[in-house]
Amino acid sequence: AQKVTQAQTEISVVEKEDVTLDCVYETRDTTYYLFWYKQPPSGELVFLIRRNSFDEQNEISGRYSWNFQKSTSSFNFTITASQVVDSAVYFCALSDVDRDDKIIFGKGTRLHILP
Amino acid sequence: KAGVTQTPRYLIKTRGQQVTLSCSPISGHRSVSWYQQTPGQGLQFLFEYFSETQRNKGNFPGRFSGRQFSNSRSEMNVSTLELGDSALYLCASFGSDYGYTFGSGTRLTVV
Repeated sequence: AQKVTQAQTEISVVEKEDVTLDCVYETRDTTYYLFWYKQPPSGELVFLIRRNSFDEQNEISGRYSWNFQKSTSSFNFTITASQVVDSAVYFCALSDVDRDDKIIFGKGTRLHILP
Repeated sequence: KAGVTQTPRYLIKTRGQQVTLSCSPISGHRSVSWYQQTPGQGLQFLFEYFSETQRNKGNFPGRFSGRQFSNSRSEMNVSTLELGDSALYLCASFGSDYGYTFGSGTRLTVV
């Protein structure tokens, strides 16, 4: 069975601090996708990244970076120099590469960036 | 690109009633999936449609149903509403261009 665990329910940091959101996943599939989504108060899920299980290269996009480690089944997300606008709920998710019909989400981490 | 459009944004219904939610996917996307988000259960997969056929279904009672039309627009129906059905219902369309794109959701409140 597929499962995504985000152990941090809620995190608060002061603006400009770096923060890492943890994600651990379980799957029997050999190929899969991992995702991060951001959900602001408006409710829409905003796509941040999709990573194929074959690609273990870390990725950086501006203040965002992702650390994918297949050996520990983790796909952690770091925000550098956090800003108040980063306050949101962040979801890590998993899907099968061969079946694009559903995504398994973690419970989410609510991130508060304090001014 | 035009995004995924969900209507209505907010809905209040009474227990026992039924409700229909609508989702218009990104143009060209043929896959539409639905998710229920509640504080207790998080985001849970309801079902997915591709070219008017349901390909996968989550673990929800038969009161939850859906359909997809030839233009890929999808509707989700919940009959005999219960208080526990209060949730944010999110629709996502999938295409090889943008991957999964979610709508802003319909917030359903059952009173």
